Amino acid sequence: GAGVSQTPSNKVTEKGKYVELRCDPISGHTALYWYRQSLGQGPEFLIYFQGTGAADDSGLPNDRFFAVRPEGSVSTLKIQRTERGDSAVYLCASSFPGRYNEQFFGPGTRLTVL
Amino acid sequence: AQTVTQSQPEMSVQEAETVTLSCTYDTSESDYYLFWYKQPPSRQMILVIRQEAYKQQNATENRFSVNFQKAAKSFSLKISDSQLGDAAMYFCAYSYTGTASKLTFGTGTRLQVTL
Repeated sequence: GAGVSQTPSNKVTEKGKYVELRCDPISGHTALYWYRQSLGQGPEFLIYFQGTGAADDSGLPNDRFFAVRPEGSVSTLKIQRTERGDSAVYLCASSFPGRYNEQFFGPGTRLTVL
Repeated sequence: AQTVTQSQPEMSVQEAETVTLSCTYDTSESDYYLFWYKQPPSRQMILVIRQEAYKQQNATENRFSVNFQKAAKSFSLKISDSQLGDAAMYFCAYSYTGTASKLTFGTGTRLQVTL
């Protein structure tokens, strides 16, 4: 596609459930980022992939959060045992090799944990 | 750690007028990038303008320009000839000039454009 896509657009789940959020980056973009945006805040970095490997996961809040990118393209953010505090918009961004300071964002997934 | 501060939660401007959004940041690095992103209700972050710290000349993109004061660690955005479509959240962001550096965002300024 022309831009970064994220699915689902909205996800409502119950406390304690497991969720997966998907990001499909722009074709050819080797760098992929996940950010979390809580209500009234700016996005906060979670994790960055270069190719298939997580090059920086320093922003993951705890071990309930995990992300993969097995083929170096699509990435999935996985959240186990969801808590109400996980409710936020999860944004994905990608960038072209050598132009890492130009991140293109997707529309985000709004996660609501009841 | 780097921090980005936006002290104006909301701003309002009349159509065709000029508005300036403020941003300050803190870093110990000498080379970095600064950005302004626009986030409309659709949630998608759109890059408005980018400034490289080693460049003294202020960046401009059509109606958007910045006032970059490196010593003061200030990075304001000026929007000229404001249009209704400019209404959105605006985020100031910082990244270090390393390979695939993460963005650090401020808390945002909501811009309203009135007729």
